[in-house]
Amino acid sequence: DVQILESGGSLVQPGGSLRLSCAASGFTFSCCGMTWVRQAPGKGPEWVSSISDSGANTYYAESVKGRFTISRDNSKNTLYLQMHSLRAEDTALYYCARHYAMDVWGQGTTVTVS
Amino acid sequence: EIVLTQSPGTLSLSPGERATLSCRASQSVSSNYLAWYQQKPGQAPRLLIYGASTRATGIPDRFSGSGSGTDFTLTISRLEPEDFAVFYCQQYGSSPFTFGPGTKVDIK
Repeated sequence: DVQILESGGSLVQPGGSLRLSCAASGFTFSCCGMTWVRQAPGKGPEWVSSISDSGANTYYAESVKGRFTISRDNSKNTLYLQMHSLRAEDTALYYCARHYAMDVWGQGTTVTVS
Repeated sequence: EIVLTQSPGTLSLSPGERATLSCRASQSVSSNYLAWYQQKPGQAPRLLIYGASTRATGIPDRFSGSGSGTDFTLTISRLEPEDFAVFYCQQYGSSPFTFGPGTKVDIK
C-alpha cells in the first residue's frame, strides 16, 4: 500500500523553528518529486514547496522563501521541511504529497504559531 | 507568478446534472501542467485530473478535463451524490506552483 505519514507539527512561538518529516512507503521514493502543501483553517490549499526526485532542484512559495528549506533523504524514504522565523500566518495543516501534481497525500500535521 | 482564477465561486446543481467548472490562468501554463483536485470536509484534496486532461488512477470517467494555454475546464457529466465538494485547479508548469481559490459545488 502506498502511504505517506507526516509528523513534527506542534505549537511554537512566533520566531521559532520546527522541522516536519514525511515518511513514505509502498513506492520507490527516489522516483518522485515531492511537495509540501498547507491549509489554514477554513481556507484553500496553499502550495509551499517542492523538490525533485534527486533533491537537486527545489522550489518555494514567495511567502516562505528564505525561511523554509525542503530536503529529502532517499535512503530513508523521508522528506523534510525545516521552518525558521515562524509567523502566525504559517499556522496551518501541513500536507506532504507525492509528485508536483499530487496523487498521494498524507493526513497532515498541524503547525500552530502562537 | 501565475495567478489562477476559478469560476463560478459556487455552483448549485442537482444530482444527475452536468457541472462545468472554469480555471483561467494569468499567463500560459507551461506544457499544460494543470491539475484538478476535489476536497471534502476533513479530508485531504484528491487528484482528479493532471496534464489538463488525463484522469488520475481510479477516477470515474464522468470527470473530464479540457483546455490549454490559459483556459481550462473540469466537467462532471452527471453529478453523483458523492461529487458535491470543493474543486481546486493547480498549475505545476512553473514555480511557484499555485492553486486557484476553488469552486464549491453544492446541492440545489
